[in-house]
Amino acid sequence: NAGVTQTPKFQVLKTGQSMTLQCAQDMNHEYMSWYRQDPGMGLRLIHYSVGAGITDQGEVPNGYNVSRSTTEDFPLRLLSAAPSQTSVYFCASSLGPRQETQYFGPGTRLLVL
Amino acid sequence: AQTVTQSQPEMSVQEAETVTLSCTYDTSESNYYLFWYKQPPSRQMILVIRQEAYKQQNATENRFSVNFQKAAKSFSLKISDSQLGDTAMYFCAFMDSNYQLIWGAGTKLIIKP
Repeated sequence: NAGVTQTPKFQVLKTGQSMTLQCAQDMNHEYMSWYRQDPGMGLRLIHYSVGAGITDQGEVPNGYNVSRSTTEDFPLRLLSAAPSQTSVYFCASSLGPRQETQYFGPGTRLLVL
Repeated sequence: AQTVTQSQPEMSVQEAETVTLSCTYDTSESNYYLFWYKQPPSRQMILVIRQEAYKQQNATENRFSVNFQKAAKSFSLKISDSQLGDTAMYFCAFMDSNYQLIWGAGTKLIIKP
């Protein structure tokens, strides 16, 4: 049981490039979410999904897209990277959005030059 | 807008002492969940304790307990018999009716030997 996995661990992008951050969980969790963590701040919710085929925006969705074609995977796409998107990105999952503990992945550190 | 405030950027105590981390939040909702998460240097987010707003009894998990004051919108975390492994960033978080987690900025806790 790997839990929540994220790839890559670290990525450097140039302004304007696009990329996809991968997130997968093998716990059959319905609820998955993406956060970003900036220095001196708590996590901010980017997008979340309450099940396959269902996604919704969080607090800071601009510049990011998500899809949820399977229960296991929840990729986050940066459409055109900007220096303001330099951050640490966390993916999380839980059996349900409210009743269960959220399990976090190890994070992806992204640097946009 | 819902907010979570952690007024102590950093705290340090001696090993075996008791320490209390403060958290206040602002919401117009009556039913919600509150969480304390720990983030050690490894960056992994670990759930410490969870409180359901409709439960008046304060949650407890071993050495960790909360003081939940719903009317005052306060949710403090008490760590008893602190250990070196408790050194970490601690985040308070609020889950609203849209399943979104709103996070505080965090408190850096240092346990000194």
